[in-house]
Amino acid sequence: AQSVTQLGSHVSVSEGALVLLRCNYSSSVPPYLFWYVQYPNQGLQLLLKYTSAATLVKGINGFEAEFKKSETSFHLTKPSAHMSDAAEYFCAVTPNSGYSTLTFGKGTMLLVSP
Amino acid sequence: DVKVTQSSRYLVKRTGEKVFLECVQDMDHENMFWYRQDPGLGLRLIYFSYDVKMKEKGDIPEGYSVSREKKERFSLILESASTNQTSMYLCASSFDGYGMDVEAFFGQGTRLTVV
Repeated sequence: AQSVTQLGSHVSVSEGALVLLRCNYSSSVPPYLFWYVQYPNQGLQLLLKYTSAATLVKGINGFEAEFKKSETSFHLTKPSAHMSDAAEYFCAVTPNSGYSTLTFGKGTMLLVSP
Repeated sequence: DVKVTQSSRYLVKRTGEKVFLECVQDMDHENMFWYRQDPGLGLRLIYFSYDVKMKEKGDIPEGYSVSREKKERFSLILESASTNQTSMYLCASSFDGYGMDVEAFFGQGTRLTVV
């Protein structure tokens, strides 16, 4: 069984501030992990993924995430928030065992103020 | 670019109607998925398919069925629409197996309102 917990349904930051969105997972086998972003009335777009290579993963739009096995975490960060980063962010997990489905967290809405 | 196309962005249907949501992908992906998205609940898996004519129930299959007659097309069917099926529906596809290319690609979503 696998599950994802995203801490905080809403996170507010000022433009230029650090963005930190938290994700913890549970998985009975080594996982693959993903962060997706969703803009209003759009589908989900992949930001970055961890697939058992480097534990620090860089994605699009200046985002990165670090896989920490000991903490079962995959937190998303960005050094300096931009107004265009305002969106909903989803963390997802799938087992590293071939065919399987993604399990998503409930999402975190990022609000960026000027 | 991978493209997953959902046939409608917005739909309004009446209670009791049979509703078809269509999804087509152009990357020869084995896996296809239908999710439902509701505020505060995230994405919940309705059905998925790992091959033509194959289907598996997800977490919330009640009131839905699916069809996959061709590899590139995956249809979600609401046999008798009800107001509690008002939601955003997202289709996705992915490769099957191990390795780097395991992420799911999503369509733009269909916002369905049942009145």
